Amino acid sequence: GAVVSQHPSRVICKSGTSVKIECRSLDFQATTMFWYRQFPKKSLMLMATSNEGSKATYEQGVEKDKFLINHASLTLSTLTVTSAHPEDSSFYICSTPNPGLARNEQFFGPGTRLTVL
Amino acid sequence: AQTVTQSQPEMSVQEAETVTLSCTYDTSENNYYLFWYKQPPSRQMILVIRQEAYKQQNATENRFSVNFQKAAKSFSLKISDSQLGDTAMYFCAFMTSGSARQLTFGSGTQLTVLP
Repeated sequence: GAVVSQHPSRVICKSGTSVKIECRSLDFQATTMFWYRQFPKKSLMLMATSNEGSKATYEQGVEKDKFLINHASLTLSTLTVTSAHPEDSSFYICSTPNPGLARNEQFFGPGTRLTVL
Repeated sequence: AQTVTQSQPEMSVQEAETVTLSCTYDTSENNYYLFWYKQPPSRQMILVIRQEAYKQQNATENRFSVNFQKAAKSFSLKISDSQLGDTAMYFCAFMTSGSARQLTFGSGTQLTVLP
């Protein structure tokens, strides 16, 4: 079964509103979560690394005030798209490594499709 | 910084035939991991196969196998006996062996299996 869940799976919002996406690890404690953005027929682009109990690390070019990340517990990381605009419409995916596995496998959430009108 | 290159944006193969997807990468690291992920229309990322760089033996998972050429920094995926369910976007990915565990993805290859 799924080990990482994302909620919501789809969201449509009006321009200017904020949207929160949740990523939960179901079977293990996730001290690190990664947030990706994927445009249609394109690759996954890492946006930020979320660390439990500390500030997220953002990739170059990603606005930290626009994409707020909170990792307040060992099983939940949230990405909030603030004052969303149509260009923020995309597919957002989270992933996390299972620290109990030595094979460096990442587990991916099912993704969230954001549409900003 | 690491880069991953997939030079085949689209490929097609007849059902039951064999197809090879190409991937090259660039890194100065000596220890790392390589992966092939599959993303079907559902958009869920699915691990197909992984390879540890320190292992010379090519990884195999049922119908999926890799040709890992460390010196050439090449990591191709061979799919044997292709099935309609193999139709998906395939991403090659690189991970350093350090604690960061970040994945760097290639641009992807859209594979279509034809009946």
